[in-house]
Amino acid sequence: KNEVEQSPQNLTAQEGEFITINCSYSVGISALHWLQQHPGGGIVSLFMLSSGKKKHGRLIATINIQEKHSSLHITASHPRDSAVYICAVQPSGTYKYIFGTGTRLKVLA
Amino acid sequence: NAGVTQTPKFQVLKTGQSMTLQCAQDMNHNSMYWYRQDPGMGLRLIYYSASEGTTDKGEVPNGYNVSRLNKREFSLRLESAAPSQTSVYFCASSDVASEKLFFGSGTQLSVL
Repeated sequence: KNEVEQSPQNLTAQEGEFITINCSYSVGISALHWLQQHPGGGIVSLFMLSSGKKKHGRLIATINIQEKHSSLHITASHPRDSAVYICAVQPSGTYKYIFGTGTRLKVLA
Repeated sequence: NAGVTQTPKFQVLKTGQSMTLQCAQDMNHNSMYWYRQDPGMGLRLIYYSASEGTTDKGEVPNGYNVSRLNKREFSLRLESAAPSQTSVYFCASSDVASEKLFFGSGTQLSVL
């Protein structure tokens, strides 16, 4: 079993829909990151969470440390949100990161 | 502010050839990383460097060597390339004070 599991693996939505991507992990962590990777493109950091909730524009990220679970929400989705979203955790006491395999999101116009 | 600069963007090698991937960051970060990304798998850590002068093996270090030349630069060397090393390679950097992981633009490497 992977230490970081993301669901769903693939997601297709219509423009305007509310989207949720989930990340569960099995280790104690000091931080969790949500990353975005566009097709053929580089990787961009969206959020770093150690507790609670963060919001940036139409993106909202939450984390529940006790349940070892995080969610990334996209409100009013747009075709430009189409990308792979990756969850990465930093285990406590380490400099390393463990990555999920990503959720491939496609938003149709 | 360029962030993380990684070169080259593309490379084709024959089995047995050697090459070095270069990475530099201008954010004064202590931690730097080399990852490989393969289809259907998450990013896997090859080597990392927690600070200048130190390097440690990650999850998949076999066939690779690294050098943390100074605080800015962290290079990855393939001494004798193998087809199993065909992948997309990313360099990244971060710091305790930084709330973000910063990635280079990636190197698409094919070993024939």
